[in-house]
Amino acid sequence: AQTVTQSQPEMSVQEAETVTLSCTYDTSESDYYLFWYKQPPSRQMILVIRQEAYKQQNATENRFSVNFQKAAKSFSLKISDSQLGDAAMYFCAYFDGANNLFFGTGTRLTVIP
Amino acid sequence: GAVVSQHPSRVICKSGTSVKIECRSLDFQATTMFWYRQFPKQSLMLMATSNEGSKATYEQGVEKDKFLINHASLTLSTLTVTSAHPEDSSFYICSASSRDRSTYEQYFGPGTRLTVT
Repeated sequence: AQTVTQSQPEMSVQEAETVTLSCTYDTSESDYYLFWYKQPPSRQMILVIRQEAYKQQNATENRFSVNFQKAAKSFSLKISDSQLGDAAMYFCAYFDGANNLFFGTGTRLTVIP
Repeated sequence: GAVVSQHPSRVICKSGTSVKIECRSLDFQATTMFWYRQFPKQSLMLMATSNEGSKATYEQGVEKDKFLINHASLTLSTLTVTSAHPEDSSFYICSASSRDRSTYEQYFGPGTRLTVT
């Protein structure tokens, strides 16, 4: 099975500042999807951003952007202008295009007012 | 769009009893539904995958006789925890996907917290 590694169990950021969450994955496939999910205290999983592996351009969604390095198998999430509502667990996930979604262990983000 | 609901959101049951959790896709037809289990401060662990009208495929180590999954229609899947024990207490999350949607994204329900006393 593919493995997804999030090496930062916890991160903190000052409100309005920028933070980057790391994610690496292991695969031998060339076509796949990558996701970042947010899980706030309510525990509802919320899709933050997705990246198709065949696309070279990094995905962006408002204050959220990724740095997708396919050769390095790296998929980091950058949150700009951090807000208090960004505080949550963030999970990186790899999807193989069939039915298999593999999650990392998560990074708990604290936003300091 | 792509809303998935779960019912109940919280349930407490006594040891030895069974409890059913429902997962519904409200505005799309779910070709495939997934059941995850999440322990406190941990990631999501896939328990099983089910396609409408077919038997569920269970992940290694998940007891299929204990966690009964039924995907009777394109909008409903149920997870029944049979003869529940305190160690079954956990947070259960379902998700759904549809081949009709181009991104193959999984849409997650809000989860069900099961406590077995």
